[in-house]
Amino acid sequence: AQSVTQLGSHVSVSEGALVLLRCNYSSSVPPYLFWYVQYPNQGLQLLLKYTTGATLVKGINGFEAEFKKSETSFHLTKPSAHMSDAAEYFCAVNPNNAGNMLTFGGGTRLMVKP
Amino acid sequence: KAGVTQTPRYLIKTRGQQVTLSCSPISGHRSVSWYQQTPGQGLQFLFEYFSETQRNKGNFPGRFSGRQFSNSRSEMNVSTLELGDSALYLCASSLTETDTQYFGPGTRLTVL
Repeated sequence: AQSVTQLGSHVSVSEGALVLLRCNYSSSVPPYLFWYVQYPNQGLQLLLKYTTGATLVKGINGFEAEFKKSETSFHLTKPSAHMSDAAEYFCAVNPNNAGNMLTFGGGTRLMVKP
Repeated sequence: KAGVTQTPRYLIKTRGQQVTLSCSPISGHRSVSWYQQTPGQGLQFLFEYFSETQRNKGNFPGRFSGRQFSNSRSEMNVSTLELGDSALYLCASSLTETDTQYFGPGTRLTVL
């Protein structure tokens, strides 16, 4: 079965610092990969996704992620953190690349210090 | 275009009762998936519907059921509620079975 591991349930950065949220997946074939963000008392908002093609994917709000097949990773980065980035971030895979049944990582809560 | 809507947003029930949650997908979207979010188990897939047919089901007991109507609206039902069913239930819709999912705000169910 596919699984997703997000290293670090809590990450704290200073405003203006680099944001790096880690995601590793287990899969026998490259899956579709996603990053979602959840603000308090809200649903999930798609930040970016990788399906095929270019391995560096740019998303909304200045976030990007790079698919590295050799490392089975899909880490999320942002060059400069803003206070508004404080939220919970979820990495997800679509196990079969067919049908809509995402498997999520445990989530990483990002805190941004002024 | 309006997003995914879920009703009600908040619900309080007691053990043993049953509950029905509703999800209206984005206009034109035919696929609807449901997820349960709890602090302990995180986000877990419940089931997925496409054109009124259940295509996939997660590892949940039979007390959890769902359906999809011809207008793509979906409902999920939980019977004989247990304390552990307290969670945020999220609905997501997509244009097709393989397209990006867009999530609603969720229904927060509290079981007392």
